[in-house]
Formats: sequence, C-alpha cells, structure tokens
Amino acid sequence: ETGVTQTPRHLVMGMTNKKSLKCEQHLGHNAMYWYKQSAKKPLELMFVYNFKEQTENNSVPSRFSPECPNSSHLFLHLHTLQPEDSALYLCASSQVGSPLGSEAFFGQGTRLTVV
Amino acid sequence: AQKITQTQPGMFVQEKEAVTLDCTYDTSDPSYGLFWYKQPSSGEMIFLIYQGSYDQQNATEGRYSLNFQKARKSANLVISASQLGDSAMYFCAMRERASSGSARQLTFGSGTQLTVLP
Repeated sequence: ETGVTQTPRHLVMGMTNKKSLKCEQHLGHNAMYWYKQSAKKPLELMFVYNFKEQTENNSVPSRFSPECPNSSHLFLHLHTLQPEDSALYLCASSQVGSPLGSEAFFGQGTRLTVV
Repeated sequence: AQKITQTQPGMFVQEKEAVTLDCTYDTSDPSYGLFWYKQPSSGEMIFLIYQGSYDQQNATEGRYSLNFQKARKSANLVISASQLGDSAMYFCAMRERASSGSARQLTFGSGTQLTVLP
C-alpha cells in the first residue's frame, strides 16, 4: 500500500465505549497529524507529532488520547465521547525540514458517530 | 482573525465552463505557502496545487491554476473546462514558516462546495 491509510473508515460507538483510530503512512514522512472535521466547520488541527514526539495539542479534551509508537503509525484512543464529537477524523503526514511547498498527504478519514 | 477566508459556501458551474473559487489569507510572515485541496464525498483530501509566496508566476497544474495576487492577499483557484467529477468540497490552506525542526501544519479555510451541472 502507498500513501496514508486510516482504519476503520466508519465507526459507531456509544458514549461509554473505548475505541481507537489507526493511521499508517508509507511515505517515509517524519510528522503526523490528527485533524477533526465537523459539519460546516474548517478542519481543526488536534495533535501534531514530529519525530514521534507530540509537539502540539490544540486544547483537545482528554477523552481523546493520541499515541505515536513510531514515525509510521499514529493512533487516536477514544473514551467516554460525547455526541458532539461525531465528525470525520483525518490523519495526515508530511516531511519536516522539506521545502515550504511540500504538501501534507491525507488519509480517507474515519467517520465517527457517537450515539 | 481568520487566517484563511473562503467566502463562497457553495458554487454552481455548468459542465465545460470555467469557475473561480475565492480564497483570501492573512499573515505577517513574508514566507508562506498556499495550497488547494479537493475533498470528494468519500472524505479523502486530495492535493491540487501549490503557490509559494516568492513564486513569480501563478501556479498551474493541468486544468487547475492559481490566481495569486500577493498585494491583495488572495489565492483564487481557477478550474477550467469543468467536469462532473469536479463536484466536491474545495479547501484553501496556508502553511507559514515554522521554527527549525518543528512540523509545519496547514491552516484551512471553511471550504467551498462546488457542484458541476450537466
């Protein structure tokens, strides 16, 4: 496989459940990101990992817990979510230190519904 | 203040016609990059075109071109000869210079939903 792969593509979970989103990139990039896309809102950056170290947490509630075990994998652990957390969660990767114009590559997203 | 502004929530265009999607940005950094992404209903964000702040010429990629007006801080996307498959959400994004070694993240606008009519 090439590019950025996210699993699962769709997830329905109850507010008391615990689940995890997975992202894998096959591009040799050293930075990975989680974005949240809610209806009619711009993409919101949630977390940034640079060389496996978390460098940014944009005031994300603790019910979202990221994990980056290596530069190719990124997880988002979910627990006790709220219905307003229902959204499309997008993972992206890029190469730090490359020219400003290097685009971020995105996965297809996980569409999460909290019931 | 919003860094990226897309004022057109929705646009319609007739097949084979050209369409312009507007984007204005706000930054005090002299070095920055501007991107356009396409998001079909499947959800994936697809990179279309890039314009650097120091680039002298407007970027072009096939049917996509970027009308870059630096003084006005605008970076409009022009799609020529629209096709039905162009129907999607289009996002303008900006990347500013980051400190050495830190990841650069994109700031996105709210998007424009383009519908191509047969």
